[in-house]
Amino acid sequence: GQQVMQIPQYQHVQEGEDFTTYCNSSTTLSNIQWYKQRPGGHPVFLIQLVKSGEVKKQKRLTFQFGEAKKNSSLHITATQTTDVGTYFCAPTDSWGKLQFGAGTQVVVTP
Amino acid sequence: EAQVTQNPRYLITVTGKKLTVTCSQNMNHEYMSWYRQDPGLGLRQIYYSMNVEVTDKGDVPEGYKVSRKEKRNFPLILESPSPNQTSLYFCASTKGGSSYNEQFFGPGTRLTVL
Repeated sequence: GQQVMQIPQYQHVQEGEDFTTYCNSSTTLSNIQWYKQRPGGHPVFLIQLVKSGEVKKQKRLTFQFGEAKKNSSLHITATQTTDVGTYFCAPTDSWGKLQFGAGTQVVVTP
Repeated sequence: EAQVTQNPRYLITVTGKKLTVTCSQNMNHEYMSWYRQDPGLGLRQIYYSMNVEVTDKGDVPEGYKVSRKEKRNFPLILESPSPNQTSLYFCASTKGGSSYNEQFFGPGTRLTVL
């Protein structure tokens, strides 16, 4: 079955710094979604990537889908305290099975 | 307001006492699912439903039941709860009959089984 590895598990970032979280799959993916969960909250959809090599931006967030459609990344520039939370990738495999990664918990130090 | 609601939000119960967590959505979504969230394990799907009267097991269905008699409601039933079912539970709904689209999550139900 599909195995999803999300790294790192934890990320401490100084405010203003950049960081990247990665999502790797053992199988080719149909698409991938990214979600953010604030502390004490519920996951909220951020974006969906479908095409090989696709890159999408949302203000300071850049999402990328690998050329082989087996991995994805989320890069945040100039981190702010509002970026605190856990970021989940959620790939869908070619059979339509959706699976969530374990998440990257982001802590921002002012 | 488009939303997914869950009740109760918090529940402390004892081993073996049957309970139901309700989930309702007002977006006319076909696809609904239940997840449990545990530290370090992310979100794991328990059951999902592609439409009324159509349900199927997710990754961790043991000890749970669901039903989908109406499009808007998707209750999660624990017939005989055990301590290893202590977790944070989320209901989610998606437009269409598959998981390909954006999922809308409810606020979560924190369950403790003593």
